[in-house]
Amino acid sequence: KQEVTQIPAALSVPEGENLVLNCSFTDSAIYNLQWFRQDPGKGLTSLLLIQSSQREQTSGRLNASLDKSSGRSTLYIAASQPGDSATYLCADGKDNNAGNMLTFGGGTRLMVKP
Amino acid sequence: DGGITQSPKYLFRKEGQNVTLSCEQNLNHDAMYWYRQDPGQGLRLIYYSQIVNDFQKGDIAEGYSVSREKKESFPLTVTSAQKNPTAFYLCASSIRGGERAFFGQGTRLTVV
Repeated sequence: KQEVTQIPAALSVPEGENLVLNCSFTDSAIYNLQWFRQDPGKGLTSLLLIQSSQREQTSGRLNASLDKSSGRSTLYIAASQPGDSATYLCADGKDNNAGNMLTFGGGTRLMVKP
Repeated sequence: DGGITQSPKYLFRKEGQNVTLSCEQNLNHDAMYWYRQDPGQGLRLIYYSQIVNDFQKGDIAEGYSVSREKKESFPLTVTSAQKNPTAFYLCASSIRGGERAFFGQGTRLTVV
């Protein structure tokens, strides 16, 4: 069964730092890899989606990379801001002919201190 | 405004009761999903549906039921058979074939 692991579980950094969040998955036969943001008590907001044929995706200060061979994805946040404080979840998708089934990691809780 | 709407935001259930969580989307997505999130944990799949009148069990379907009578609606019923229903429930949708998933704002269910 596919397992997705996120390390660290929590991270606290001063404002302005560049930081990397890690996501590892056990089965390299993935369809895509998605990164989400979740604010306390809220739903998930999609940040980036990387198809299995791609190596990375960028949106503003966010850059996500995918290395299928090593079973890893990273989310790079440049020049972090207090507003970036949230939980970040990664999920890998597998196409089982019934749609894209997502398996989620446990998340990294990020706090950016002013 | 396109999106997914879940209601209610908070729901309280007495022991032995069935309760139904609503999920509506106007994104014209074929696929819809229900996830459960427990404190400090990732999301686990309860049920999913790819087309109207069809749905499949996810990893933790016991004690839950769903219906998909309309493309835009995918309600989840938490039955009395679910022994530990207190959790945060999230509904999602996507275009069939593995495109980006969009989530609602969630329903927090508490057993009283």
